[in-house]
Amino acid sequence: AQSVTQLDSQVPVFEEAPVELRCNYSSSVSVYLFWYVQYPNQGLQLLLKYLSGSTLVKGINGFEAEFNKSQTSFHLRKPSVHISDTAEYFCAVSSNTGNQFYFGTGTSLTVIP
Amino acid sequence: DAGVIQSPRHEVTEMGQEVTLRCKPISGHDYLFWYRQTMMRGLELLIYFNNNVPIDDSGMPEDRFSAKMPNASFSTLKIQPSEPRDSAVYFCASSTWDTKTQYFGPGTRLTVT
Repeated sequence: AQSVTQLDSQVPVFEEAPVELRCNYSSSVSVYLFWYVQYPNQGLQLLLKYLSGSTLVKGINGFEAEFNKSQTSFHLRKPSVHISDTAEYFCAVSSNTGNQFYFGTGTSLTVIP
Repeated sequence: DAGVIQSPRHEVTEMGQEVTLRCKPISGHDYLFWYRQTMMRGLELLIYFNNNVPIDDSGMPEDRFSAKMPNASFSTLKIQPSEPRDSAVYFCASSTWDTKTQYFGPGTRLTVT
């Protein structure tokens, strides 16, 4: 079975500062990794995903993440955040044996003007 | 292309009433997932289907909950009888085996009074 740990439940950051949201996973098989964003009163929207290939993945809205197999991590980064990035961010893992996702508990990013 | 469609977007009902939530997946997607999101429990997978067949319903909280997928373009989640603790946002998502990516609907906000 797989599981995901998002180490920070809340991350406040000033506008235009860099941010990193941490995600660690556990799995005994090959994994696929995802980051989703949820704005207030909306559904989850895909930010980026790692299926194979380059371990540095670029997504929408200037976000990127790096798959680190030895550290079992998939941290999300953005070099300069905007007010509009204030949202809940979810990390998820699935395996090559099925399409079921295992979600983390989410990180609430608050961008301070 | 239309995304995942859910209806209704909001539902307010009294305890003991039957509630039916509806989902139309993205055309061509062969996996369908039902999730529930609350502040206390986060995002929970309730059940998922592959090619209209329920694969894993271990997340369904109790017998009051049932889900069906009569064809590839429609699924329902029914709660009978509803209770106040069922109040939550219910999401539907769909995916394909090869893309691995789940696409979420906007959700149904259920309030049981």
